[in-house]
Amino acid sequence: SQKIEQNSEALNIQEGKTATLTCNYTNYSPAYLQWYRQDPGRGPVFLLLIRENEKEKRKERLKVTFDTTLKQSLFHITASQPADSATYLCALGGTASKLTFGTGTRLQVTL
Amino acid sequence: AAGVIQSPRHLIKEKRETATLKCYPIPRHDTVYWYQQGPGQDPQFLISFYEKMQSDKGSIPDRFSAQQFSDYHSELNMSSLELGDSALYFCASSSERKNNYGYTFGSGTRLTVV
Repeated sequence: SQKIEQNSEALNIQEGKTATLTCNYTNYSPAYLQWYRQDPGRGPVFLLLIRENEKEKRKERLKVTFDTTLKQSLFHITASQPADSATYLCALGGTASKLTFGTGTRLQVTL
Repeated sequence: AAGVIQSPRHLIKEKRETATLKCYPIPRHDTVYWYQQGPGQDPQFLISFYEKMQSDKGSIPDRFSAQQFSDYHSELNMSSLELGDSALYFCASSSERKNNYGYTFGSGTRLTVV
């Protein structure tokens, strides 16, 4: 069955450092992969989309890589700030466009 | 900019009652999705509509139904509610023609079944 795995343990990082979150998937050939931020009790907020034929995408302090051979995406936040503390979800989509979400990784940025 | 509007924000129902959740997508978005998120879990896809027609169906119980109306708003109807239906229910919309912008989610409806 299809599986999307993200680190279930929280990632604690010091302000100013680069946070790297991992998303691995199996039994899936997504046309694209997306990353979302979710704060407690709120809806997910779209951050970045990367297609299967793209290796890397950047947006301000965010960078996403997509390796379809390894079936893995890495999500980087550079110069992290306490305001970046949230749960980050990766989501995979196919031609039918329905998104399937991973379980998310909680990021905590401390001073 | 207009966002996805969901109502109500909170809903408390008793077991075996019915509930109706409403969603108003972003104007000119052609696809609406419903997701259910339990505590500490990832959002689970329920159902989607493209141009008012059901386009995909996920793990939606038979007790639930949904539709999209001519004005593009959507409603999720839930009957014979069970304690396990307590969750956050999110609606999201997107434009298939501009699939670089991801989904826009609403703030969700928190359903509590007692």
